Amino acid sequence: QSALTQPASVSGSPGQSITISCTGTSSDVGGYNYVSWYQQHPGKAPKLMIYEVSNRPSGVPDRFSGSKSGNTASLTISGLQAEDEADYYCSSYTSSSTPHVVFGGGTKLTVL
Amino acid sequence: QVQLQESGPGLVKPSQTLSLTCTVSGGSISSGGYYWSWIRQHPGKGLEWIGYIYYSGSTYYNPSLKSRVTISVDTSKNQFSLKLSSVTAADTAVYYCARNDLGYCSSTSCYPSGMDVWGQGTTVTVSS
Repeated sequence: QSALTQPASVSGSPGQSITISCTGTSSDVGGYNYVSWYQQHPGKAPKLMIYEVSNRPSGVPDRFSGSKSGNTASLTISGLQAEDEADYYCSSYTSSSTPHVVFGGGTKLTVL
Repeated sequence: QVQLQESGPGLVKPSQTLSLTCTVSGGSISSGGYYWSWIRQHPGKGLEWIGYIYYSGSTYYNPSLKSRVTISVDTSKNQFSLKLSSVTAADTAVYYCARNDLGYCSSTSCYPSGMDVWGQGTTVTVSS
């Protein structure tokens, strides 16, 4: 069982917006602004899409945005495109036990 | 730009030690400014953080794997390595190395920000 909870799947039509949630605790998501989001296409390495809750690395489209409220972080993709279909993972720094990093279980995004 | 490449045996026998190396090109580990991470992904499953190391040798490990994991760095070769002892079939996975940017740093450690550069991953199977 993953330390961070994500929905197993979400779907949307091209052009629509979707939001993926990532729920943790006050020891991770809620306590620190070190939440990241990764996109992974089948057979490929993950790609960083959002870091420190809401920052986009260079080259990531501004259709991707991140936010946080309490113990839940969210990734929103607006203007869905076919190439957005992938698995998405959140991660967070955690102070639970010894300081380390935890991932969510992943969310499969299907573009209908 | 910085690139990472994992290398090591693709097949390891149960009870033995898994050893992988990540070679960094296009940048220097010893310049600081990053943690150097290992992550794995079991077949058809999600990502699992294994641990990371700073160029100075400071390490942080996943508590669930800590008793079996050692991450080391060789700045002269611009490489960092993973050793996982007493492996079982449950350690069969794709293993990734990644560069982890840093957030706020205190006098003793830094918060990890995003993992912005990843290797392509290497599949390790544990089987006799």
